[in-house]
Amino acid sequence: DVKVTQSSRYLVKRTGEKVFLECVQDMDHENMFWYRQDPGLGLRLIYFSYDVKMKEKGDIPEGYSVSREKKERFSLILESASTNQTSMYLCASSFQRTGYTFGSGTRLTVV
Amino acid sequence: GESVGLHLPTLSVQEGDNSIINCAYSNSASDYFIWYKQESGKGPQFIIDIRSNMDKRQGQRVTVLLNKTVKHLSLQIAATQPGDSAVYFCAENKGSSGSARQLTFGSGTQLTVLP
Repeated sequence: DVKVTQSSRYLVKRTGEKVFLECVQDMDHENMFWYRQDPGLGLRLIYFSYDVKMKEKGDIPEGYSVSREKKERFSLILESASTNQTSMYLCASSFQRTGYTFGSGTRLTVV
Repeated sequence: GESVGLHLPTLSVQEGDNSIINCAYSNSASDYFIWYKQESGKGPQFIIDIRSNMDKRQGQRVTVLLNKTVKHLSLQIAATQPGDSAVYFCAENKGSSGSARQLTFGSGTQLTVLP
């Protein structure tokens, strides 16, 4: 089975900290995505990547950046964490135009 | 903009009954649809998918129906069990557009199975 692993299930960070959320997939998928999920707002796309060293902004990229140095790894970076970035963060991967496989999510709290 | 939406945000069913979760989509170019299940505190899990050249697809205890005429998608769960309690999302892929590898998600329906 395809596995998407997010490095942390729960994370608590202070305002202003630089935060790294790591995501690794083991099925050679070229597409990787970062979403945040908030009550009442559903899944919102932050950034995505269709290839190594390639990245594209999603619907809500402000305050975030990403890195994809290797095909299997897609990192989300919060340059200076703020309380409004408290959320559930979901990483997903896919092959071509197929459905996503999601990770278990990282619940980030910024205090 | 175009979006995928759900008719009902919550659904309660008795254990053993069948469940039907509905989804409306507005993009006629969408050619691939997926249902996901998300349990509390977990990431969404793939349930079943269907392509636009089909009207119906069956899995284990689940059936997805696609009505392209009215742009409607439904998920039927047979003999609903307590473990089926979760949020269910539909998602669509918008065909051959530039963002073809992206999915657009509905807001989700909370299914609660009553004992």
